[in-house]
Amino acid sequence: EVQLLESGGGLVQPGGSLRLSCAASGFTFSSYAMSWVRQAPGKGLEWVSAISGSGGSTYYADSVKGRFTISRDNSKNTLYLQMNSLRAEDTAVYYCAKAPVPGTTVTTPDYWGQGTLVTVSS
Amino acid sequence: QSALTQPRSVSGSPGQSVTISCTGTSSDVGGYNYVSWYQQHPGKAPKLMIYDVSKRPSGVPDRFSGSKSGNTASLTISGLQAEDEADYYCCSYAGSYTLVFGTGTKVTVL
Repeated sequence: EVQLLESGGGLVQPGGSLRLSCAASGFTFSSYAMSWVRQAPGKGLEWVSAISGSGGSTYYADSVKGRFTISRDNSKNTLYLQMNSLRAEDTAVYYCAKAPVPGTTVTTPDYWGQGTLVTVSS
Repeated sequence: QSALTQPRSVSGSPGQSVTISCTGTSSDVGGYNYVSWYQQHPGKAPKLMIYDVSKRPSGVPDRFSGSKSGNTASLTISGLQAEDEADYYCCSYAGSYTLVFGTGTKVTVL
């Protein structure tokens, strides 16, 4: 059974940093691209970033480019999102999500974690 | 990248059919057959209902179907049931290794 468990969310001041983690199990983690998708309170879904299975290719939405860094440790079956220079508009639940087909890059995800809430406020 | 346009809400009585539209451009919905639909109940993670425009993952009832014409994709729920009441989002590949989501539609079962 595919399981994705996010952690690392919390309250951070504007301009601060936070690192999110997503522990994966139930599939061959290194074979699948992974994404981060966020949802501001009461709002819709927004794709944030994606990374290839090897970690060699990364992709970002314009809204986070230059501030967020996606990475993965395939030996630990864990996905990360390093978030710097955080703004109030980054406040959201952050979900990690798995690509449906091994070997693909950015594709619409199949399985999602339960999310972790990031609140940027002074 | 602008969000895909969905109606804010749709409603129907149990047993009826409802259709949700998802309008984009030739750079996203119209340009690729990579449109997915997600169901999200309050406080829960999104669940994949349709992928590659019209394919259903195992376990998703065949009451859910997807299609696409030009720059608009559609999700139809036939034989509406109480548990179908949720928010629904479309998602499309948008080129240059990016994804774009729809604005979301609240489905109400009357």
